[in-house]
Amino acid sequence: EVKLSESGGDLVQPGGSLRLSCAATGISLSVYDMAWVRQAPGKRLEWVSRVSGSGGSTDYADSVKGRFTVSRDNSKNTLYLQMSSLKAEDTAVYYCARVLTTFGGRGWFDPWGQGTLVAVSS
Amino acid sequence: VVWMTQSPSFLSASPGDRVTITCRMSQDINNFLAWYQQKPGKAPELLIYAASTLQSGVPSRFTGSGSGTSFSLTISYLQSEDFATYYCQQYDSLPLTFGGGTTIEIK
Repeated sequence: EVKLSESGGDLVQPGGSLRLSCAATGISLSVYDMAWVRQAPGKRLEWVSRVSGSGGSTDYADSVKGRFTVSRDNSKNTLYLQMSSLKAEDTAVYYCARVLTTFGGRGWFDPWGQGTLVAVSS
Repeated sequence: VVWMTQSPSFLSASPGDRVTITCRMSQDINNFLAWYQQKPGKAPELLIYAASTLQSGVPSRFTGSGSGTSFSLTISYLQSEDFATYYCQQYDSLPLTFGGGTTIEIK
């Protein structure tokens, strides 16, 4: 069974930093593009970032570009999202998901992790 | 950016009903569309990809259809476990985007 488990969510002050992790079991992350998707309270899902299987190619939503960095450690089968200069509008549940890709990181998501909550507030 | 308009936002229905959710795109997305189900406090789960391909394990009462800029998800006979929120997602171009969601509530 493929399982993704996020961790690292926390309450952080505006301007602060946080690193999220997503550990995978049942699959080798090196084979797949992976993505982060977030959901602010009562809002629609928002794609945040994706990274290629090798880690050599990344893409970001405009709302996080320059502040968030996605990476992966295939030896640990773990995906990361380093978040800095956090804003109140970054408050959300963050999900990691495998991308079943058509090309260039474009694809559908399956499975998803259970999510980790990031709250940005003073 | 592909803008997505999903309707209705809320739908009240009874077990056994047939319901249809629509997702309209701001441009042609070449059938690169997925549908997800999300229950409160849970992660989304994939139902359909490529507009009409049923994910393994998903009941056949779920059907995806459409092409170009207009797509639909139909649930032919609502079961109690189907009361949830449904999202469409396009993967034709980055940024990947989602519809606003449709919550199906028990009438």
